[in-house]
Amino acid sequence: KAGVTQTPRYLIKTRGQQVTLSCSPISGHRSVSWYQQTPGQGLQFLFEYFSETQRNKGNFPGRFSGRQFSNSRSEMNVSTLELGDSALYLCASSQLGSPYEQYFGPGTRLTVT
Amino acid sequence: EDQVTQSPEALRLQEGESSSLNCSYTVSGLRGLFWYRQDPGKGPEFLFTLYSAGEEKEKERLKATLTKKESFLHITAPKPEDSATYLCAVQAGDRDDKIIFGKGTRLHILP
Repeated sequence: KAGVTQTPRYLIKTRGQQVTLSCSPISGHRSVSWYQQTPGQGLQFLFEYFSETQRNKGNFPGRFSGRQFSNSRSEMNVSTLELGDSALYLCASSQLGSPYEQYFGPGTRLTVT
Repeated sequence: EDQVTQSPEALRLQEGESSSLNCSYTVSGLRGLFWYRQDPGKGPEFLFTLYSAGEEKEKERLKATLTKKESFLHITAPKPEDSATYLCAVQAGDRDDKIIFGKGTRLHILP
């Protein structure tokens, strides 16, 4: 079974720009979660989507948004980029259950200059 | 406030020197505790899920245990390829199933 894929793998943007990251979950997985990982804060939860609906949301400003398509693929968007948005953005997919195991993609390394 | 704390932050061991990593948590209604391994520049790799106090799971040189307040990841006779950051996460039932991660333990095994 193919794993979680994320594109692009690396991205360099300028302050004020916007960016869209993409995630394709494992086949059959309907839940997709997004995380931001930085050396200082570790892994921080952004949001989770299930069946095209946002199920949970972390404590991030409204500049961070996401969506999920009918084929479970997901995108996240960050508008008006700030230097502090530089991070590894990770996507994880799971078969929704309680508790449920998440399988992570390789991440997108975003650098804001 | 729900919290997950991992210790130590970093650990250097000689090859073959067994040790344990700690994950302590304060959450209401624990639904599950997860261990992940993360190599530099890669996404976390799922290792174990523990559901209730007293449960244990093993995989090769790794053994995870769970009590009501903490979990341990025991590494027996580690090899250099076990070097990685080990992450602990909990899923709390009263937080809409949100998953909270600890900041990890960076493990370095010297040959």
